[in-house]
Amino acid sequence: GESVGLHLPTLSVQEGDNSIINCAYSNSASDYFIWYKQESGKGPQFIIDIRSNMDKRQGQRVTVLLNKTVKHLSLQIAATQPGDSAVYFCAENGSGNTGKLIFGQGTTLQVKP
Amino acid sequence: EAQVTQNPRYLITVTGKKLTVTCSQNMNHEYMSWYRQDPGLGLRQIYYSMNVEVTDKGDVPEGYKVSRKEKRNFPLILESPSPNQTSLYFCASSFLARARGTEAFFGQGTRLTVV
Repeated sequence: GESVGLHLPTLSVQEGDNSIINCAYSNSASDYFIWYKQESGKGPQFIIDIRSNMDKRQGQRVTVLLNKTVKHLSLQIAATQPGDSAVYFCAENGSGNTGKLIFGQGTTLQVKP
Repeated sequence: EAQVTQNPRYLITVTGKKLTVTCSQNMNHEYMSWYRQDPGLGLRQIYYSMNVEVTDKGDVPEGYKVSRKEKRNFPLILESPSPNQTSLYFCASSFLARARGTEAFFGQGTRLTVV
């Protein structure tokens, strides 16, 4: 069935280091992927997205990589800051035309000062 | 400011007492949906709507109702709440122009406790 999973529930990094958050998806029909950041007490916020016709997309301090061969995407955060501490979710659009997003379980990023 | 607004943010109620959580968006989005978020289960879709008067069940619709009489509003109704509906609820909206690929904007969440 459709599922989106993240490899690690918690990731702890030192401030200033780069962070890599991974996500595996199972629906090969998905052609759109999003990373969301959810801070404590808030709703998920869009970080970056990527379509399946790309394998890399860069934003400000963030990069998303998509490997369709192994159905894997990752979020890289450069020079991680305390404000990056949050839960990160990947999401895919799955099959069909419903506009629905399928979310992974989330990875908690903890930034140590 | 473009936003999705949910009310209330926090709600404690008793079993069986009907309640409504409101959701409104000001971005003229066609697509709106409700999710619940529970520890270890992530975000699960309850109901969604692709446009006015068009609603459909998501993954966990039991015990919930929705309506879409206007484009901007998408209330979530719990006719007879039960303790297993204690959860954090999010409303989200997005454009449907390309249907299969569009960013969703989320509200701030409603933390519901049913005792």
